[in-house]
Amino acid sequence: EVQLVEAGGGLVQSGRSLRLSCTTSGFSFGDYALSWFRQAPGKGLEWVGFIRTKGYGWTTEYAASVKGRFTISRDDSKRIAYLQMNSLKTEDTAVYYCTRDFTVLDHYYGMDVWGQGTTVTVS
Amino acid sequence: DIQLTQSPSFLSASVGDRVTITCRASQGISSYLAWYQQKPGKAPKLLIYRASSLQSGVPSRFSGSGSGTEFTLTIISLQPEDFATYYCQQLNSYPFTFGPGTKVDIK
Repeated sequence: EVQLVEAGGGLVQSGRSLRLSCTTSGFSFGDYALSWFRQAPGKGLEWVGFIRTKGYGWTTEYAASVKGRFTISRDDSKRIAYLQMNSLKTEDTAVYYCTRDFTVLDHYYGMDVWGQGTTVTVS
Repeated sequence: DIQLTQSPSFLSASVGDRVTITCRASQGISSYLAWYQQKPGKAPKLLIYRASSLQSGVPSRFSGSGSGTEFTLTIISLQPEDFATYYCQQLNSYPFTFGPGTKVDIK
């Protein structure tokens, strides 16, 4: 069974840092790009960013709202993706999801597997 | 950034009804549009990719159509488990934006 499990959320003060992890199983991790999304309480979905595969240089893209503060990385040997969040703001309060990305030749078709999410609260 | 709008924002329907949700993009996105279903407290679920391709395991009562700037999600014969919020997402260019969602509620 394909699974993504986020961890690392919690309550953190504004200006501090937090690192989320996304532990995966059931698929060939290195073959997939991975994304992070978030959903503020009672709000819609927001893309945070993604990381490509080794074949595309593990390059990343970010939303403007987090660029320069958040960093996505991956450890293919451990099958884990990370979201390092620095200089947190109250508006970063949300449920954070990691996803497996359905791509074809670096064209994104959708996010076909989602984790259950982890809650980050910035006070 | 590409903006997506959805209509209606809220839809009240009965089991067995045919439901259509529209998603419009602020500029052309070819067929790089996905549809998701989200139930309260749960992660979104991919229903449709590339505007009209049904994701594996998704019931055939769901279908998508459109290209360019206008897209639709249709559910024929709404089932009790279909009451949820539906989001469209464009994947043509960064940032990958979502529509504001359409909540489908029980009439």
